[in-house]
Amino acid sequence: SQQGEEDPQALSIQEGENATMNCSYKTSINNLQWYRQNSGRGLVHLILIRSNEREKHSGRLRVTLDTSKKSSSLLITASRAADTASYFCATDAGNNNDMRFGAGTRLTVKP
Amino acid sequence: GAGVSQSPRYKVAKRGQDVALRCDPISGHVSLFWYQQALGQGPEFLTYFQNEAQLDKSGLPSDRFFAERPEGSVSTLKIQRTQQEDSAVYLCASSGDWASEKLFFGSGTQLSVL
Repeated sequence: SQQGEEDPQALSIQEGENATMNCSYKTSINNLQWYRQNSGRGLVHLILIRSNEREKHSGRLRVTLDTSKKSSSLLITASRAADTASYFCATDAGNNNDMRFGAGTRLTVKP
Repeated sequence: GAGVSQSPRYKVAKRGQDVALRCDPISGHVSLFWYQQALGQGPEFLTYFQNEAQLDKSGLPSDRFFAERPEGSVSTLKIQRTQQEDSAVYLCASSGDWASEKLFFGSGTQLSVL
């Protein structure tokens, strides 16, 4: 079963704009991760944020985590056409530690 | 190895046929996962191994699905008597220490059941 749910399901923006994707989850977590998937390929890890962290940066990526609301956001700044992909959040299911994924946000960046 | 390797890349099976999908994780990685991904959907958890121990198989959709990792490295996902609804991409991932750390994914096996 899915643990996280991304919002929106699809997002279309112009190159240079910022893209924000949100993730909500159901149970308590140890960490939350964001992954990217290009069409027909495997997932690539982007960033991991632990439950005791509130914000993390990696290059043009900024992730926030609000454990009280059980939600996270991924911000991609100054987007590029090459950022076009599906983005997924994943959380460990509490004690089990195995990672569960949401349905993803399909991002299209128009040149 | 350099990354997670899955084979075959594509598999076409006739309904009722048995299939076996292979995953070679990154050498030394303790945790190994199998996911099923339908078109346009997120990866759905199937099962998880820590070394050779299958710690969670709650995501396997039916008793036709079976996974093993006998020596704690290579894993095989077997689907018996395949059905059309089994058509999906099957993804394997591994991680170094704990299950909830960064996952490294293979490119997947795309299974089509006719």
